[in-house]
Order: sequence, then C-alpha cells, then structure tokens
Amino acid sequence: GEDVEQSLFLSVREGDSSVINCTYTDSSSTYLYWYKQEPGAGLQLLTYIFSNMDMKQDQRLTVLLNKKDKHLSLRIADTQTGDSAIYFCALSGGSYIPTFGRGTSLIVHP
Amino acid sequence: DTGVSQNPRHKITKRGQNVTFRCDPISEHNRLYWYRQTLGQGPEFLTYFQNEAQLEKSRLLSDRFSAERPKGSFSTLEIQRTEQGDSAMYLCASSPQRDEQYFGPGTRLTVT
Repeated sequence: GEDVEQSLFLSVREGDSSVINCTYTDSSSTYLYWYKQEPGAGLQLLTYIFSNMDMKQDQRLTVLLNKKDKHLSLRIADTQTGDSAIYFCALSGGSYIPTFGRGTSLIVHP
Repeated sequence: DTGVSQNPRHKITKRGQNVTFRCDPISEHNRLYWYRQTLGQGPEFLTYFQNEAQLEKSRLLSDRFSAERPKGSFSTLEIQRTEQGDSAMYLCASSPQRDEQYFGPGTRLTVT
C-alpha cells in the first residue's frame, strides 16, 4: 500500500514562511491534498493538486509537486499564530480512498 | 450548507457496551467515508459508501463494526461489545464527484 511520510514537528517565527514536506511511495496517485486540523476538530481541506501539475498557488499557500522524487510540499507565506495546527498530506488514486500521513505539527511563535 | 455534522461529539462508554454514531453529510454529496484517528496519527480509512452502497471496507473494520447508509443520506457507525482499543476519534467525510473530502468535527469515543 501507499506510504506517506511527514516530519512530525515544525517550529517557525511569526511572519516567516513555513515549508511542510511530504514524501510518498505510490507514483500512481492522482490527487494530492493538504489538510489542516486544529485541536479537537475535524480536518479542513486547504488545497489539492492534480498529479499532472507541478505547482499550485492559493493566496498564502503554495503547493509544489516533484513527481520524480515523489515529494510534495506546502509553503505558507507570512505564517501567523492562527496557522498553528497539524497539517496532513494525503494522496489518492483511482480508488478514491486517500492515505494520510501522520501529520506535521506546526508551531508558530511570536 | 452547514457542512458535515456528527453526533454525538463525545461518547464515554463502558467496555462491552454498544455505541452508535451518526454522520450527516453535505447534501448531494454521494460519497461518504468513515475514518478512525488515534493520537499522533493521521486518519485511517474504515469504510466508504457511494450513495447507499457500501463499496469498500478496511481490514481494520472487525466484525464488531457495522456501518449503514440506508437512504444514501445520513450514515451510522455501530461498534458492538466495545473494547478499550476502540477509544479514538471517529471521523466522517463526504465527497462530491471530485475527490476532495469534507470532514465533520468527529466523535470522540472513550471506552473505560
């Protein structure tokens, strides 16, 4: 099955950019997602990218996909304290059943 | 549209009891998913419906777990003879024809 790996923690200063990384094993994934989860809440879809794209930008969020290296990243520009949360990378293919990473806990400090 | 809702939000039960959770998806979303999430982990897929048909079940879903979506709208997840290892957050998500999923707030189950 698909393996999705993320680093567990990232700490940044308010106003800096955050880059959250994800690596995966299954090159047949069609959709690649980033979700945000705040404490005690469900997951919120932030953005997604199709596997035939290299980059997608949505306001402060930039998603980069390197298919050769099977690497997905999420860049958050001008990180704010409200961005503190757990960020999950997820991938799905023809089965419509996504596989999630363990999540990266983003800590934003003043 | 108010999004995906789940009830109850919290459930505390004694080992051996049965529990049932409900999920109301976004209207007109034909796909509905159940996941389990434990501390420090991402959501793990349990089962998936397209309309009223249950199309796939994870090997994680033991025979104590059953899910239904009788009219293709809301869904229920029942756990019989609960065990302490069932303690987790149970998440429901719905999806339109495209692949992105919209999650509910989850039901946190504690088995004592």
